[in-house]
Amino acid sequence: ELKVEQNPLFLSMQEGKNYTIYCNYSTTSDRLYWYRQDPGKSLESLFVLLSNGAVKQEGRLMASLDTKARLSTLHITAAVHDLSATYFCAVALVYGGATNKLIFGTGTLLAVQP
Amino acid sequence: DAGITQSPRHKVTETGTPVTLRCHQTENHRYMYWYRQDPGHGLRLIHYSYGVKDTDKGEVSDGYSVSRSKTEDFLLTLESATSSQTSVYFCATQSPSSYEQYFGPGTRLTVT
Repeated sequence: ELKVEQNPLFLSMQEGKNYTIYCNYSTTSDRLYWYRQDPGKSLESLFVLLSNGAVKQEGRLMASLDTKARLSTLHITAAVHDLSATYFCAVALVYGGATNKLIFGTGTLLAVQP
Repeated sequence: DAGITQSPRHKVTETGTPVTLRCHQTENHRYMYWYRQDPGHGLRLIHYSYGVKDTDKGEVSDGYSVSRSKTEDFLLTLESATSSQTSVYFCATQSPSSYEQYFGPGTRLTVT
């Protein structure tokens, strides 16, 4: 059974600081997704990482994937209040090359304080 | 945004009644998924479809069935609703090129 663990589960940080959210998973996969969810809203796709060593950046967020360590990180640079949300990682179980059954972590609630 | 709508957006129903949730997409994506979101569990896959009339089970499929008679619509049916099926249900479609999964706005279902 594939397990996906995120830590921390809750992160309170000050504006301007840097921090990293970790996503560990228990079985082989080379497809890893990051999502953002605001309260009461749907999930917004942030990154899809499709190979070992993949790194993607968008604004103050950067995601990376190490498939050998079964670890993905989401790094936040110089946090701003607008980044406050819940962040989910999800690992894909791939079938037939294209069906991606996503197994989600339980999420990291990020609160950026002024 | 993959042009996904879900209906209804909110529903309250009684235990034992059947309920059908609809997901409609305008992007002609082949792959579609139904997830449920519960506090402390993140999202869990219920069923998915890899084409018209082609569906399969996910992690938590007991008590649910699906149908897909045309590319744009994916229906989720709770055959006899129970209180444990109170949840927020999300539909997703998958881009064939990037493998991104785009989520619909969700349906909040309460079973009393």
